[in-house]
Amino acid sequence: AQSVSQHNHHVILSEAASLELGCNYSYGGTVNLFWYVQYPGQHLQLLLKYFSGDPLVKGIKGFEAEFIKSKFSFNLRKPSVQWSDTAEYFCALYGAGSYQLTFGKGTKLSVIP
Amino acid sequence: DVKVTQSSRYLVKRTGEKVFLECVQDMDHENMFWYRQDPGLGLRLIYFSYDVKMKEKGDIPEGYSVSREKKERFSLILESASTNQTSMYLCATSPGRFGYTFGSGTRLTVV
Repeated sequence: AQSVSQHNHHVILSEAASLELGCNYSYGGTVNLFWYVQYPGQHLQLLLKYFSGDPLVKGIKGFEAEFIKSKFSFNLRKPSVQWSDTAEYFCALYGAGSYQLTFGKGTKLSVIP
Repeated sequence: DVKVTQSSRYLVKRTGEKVFLECVQDMDHENMFWYRQDPGLGLRLIYFSYDVKMKEKGDIPEGYSVSREKKERFSLILESASTNQTSMYLCATSPGRFGYTFGSGTRLTVV
């Protein structure tokens, strides 16, 4: 069975700090990977996704993620966070042949002005 | 843009009541999903459907059932609500393996 692990439950950063949120998955085959964001009081929305090709993918609002197959990782990064990035972030994957996303437990990011 | 509409944003029900949560999409997506979201537990799949009148159990189906009579509507049913079903319920749709579009969620409190 596939699974997704997000290492940090809650991350607190000051504005302008760099961000890296960890995501590791457990699945032996081909995967499609996603990061979703949930701003306070809002619905989950897609930040970025990886299907194939360049392992460094860029998403909305200056976020990027790198797929490292050998490490089963898909970490989310942003060079300089803003207060408006305060949100909960979820990593998710499709295993091969599956139409259901498996989600990690989420990482809550708090950015202090 | 795909819209996924959940009928209620907040709902308060009594223990033992039968509860219906409705989800309607305005695009022709085959796949629809119900998740519950709880702090520290992330999103857990309750039920999903790949076609009209088709349903499959997810990871935590106990205490729930679903109905999909029309392609655009996917209903989650709590047969006899209990306090441990207090949660945020999220509906999502997808046209395939391209990721989900989520509704705004229904925060259900069972008292």
